[in-house]
Amino acid sequence: EPEVTQTPSHQVTQMGQEVILRCVPISNHLYFYWYRQILGQKVEFLVSFYNNEISEKSEIFDDQFSVERPDGSNFTLKIRSTKLEDSAMYFCASSDSGYTFGSGTRLTVV
Amino acid sequence: AQRVTQPEKLLSVFKGAPVELKCNYSYSGSPELFWYVQYSRQRLQLLLRHISRESIKGFTADLNKGETSFHLKKPFAQEEDSAMYYCALSTLRGNQGGKLIFGQGTELSVKP
Repeated sequence: EPEVTQTPSHQVTQMGQEVILRCVPISNHLYFYWYRQILGQKVEFLVSFYNNEISEKSEIFDDQFSVERPDGSNFTLKIRSTKLEDSAMYFCASSDSGYTFGSGTRLTVV
Repeated sequence: AQRVTQPEKLLSVFKGAPVELKCNYSYSGSPELFWYVQYSRQRLQLLLRHISRESIKGFTADLNKGETSFHLKKPFAQEEDSAMYYCALSTLRGNQGGKLIFGQGTELSVKP
């Protein structure tokens, strides 16, 4: 069964540093997403991406965040200057007729 | 406002007991509702969706528009059902670009 792949599985970074979280969506899917889950809280929508542009973003997705599909396979989430409160599990997903989630990247900002 | 509410943070039952995980939603249009399961910090997996009306691993869920609920049920819980369960609402039909709005999640613990 096709999978959404996320790397790395765990990333530790210092406050103020830039991080890039990587995702390889399912190849024939057209819609891509990032969600995050702060420890002990619910999964929250960050952004959706279609046809090489953002189709919707949440209030969380401020100027510190950006997404990119640099080639035909990868879908990245960049956080420019990380804050302690960015520590969370970040899930990538892609969809066609249904959603498939990746296994997540645990980001720890110290 | 679009919202999904799962009132129970933790539900603990004995093996063989019936299980009901509650989910209520608030949405002005016609929602598409899902249940996702997450075993031991693994990826979120789709358990079932209301439009398919199928039973997966013995679980069923019926959309009740009058009560705006989509409770997840299983008549006889098994130990391997222990996991986090998330109710979610999609804002577009068929997940075509629609975002998912999640509830807080309910941790189901099935004791031997």
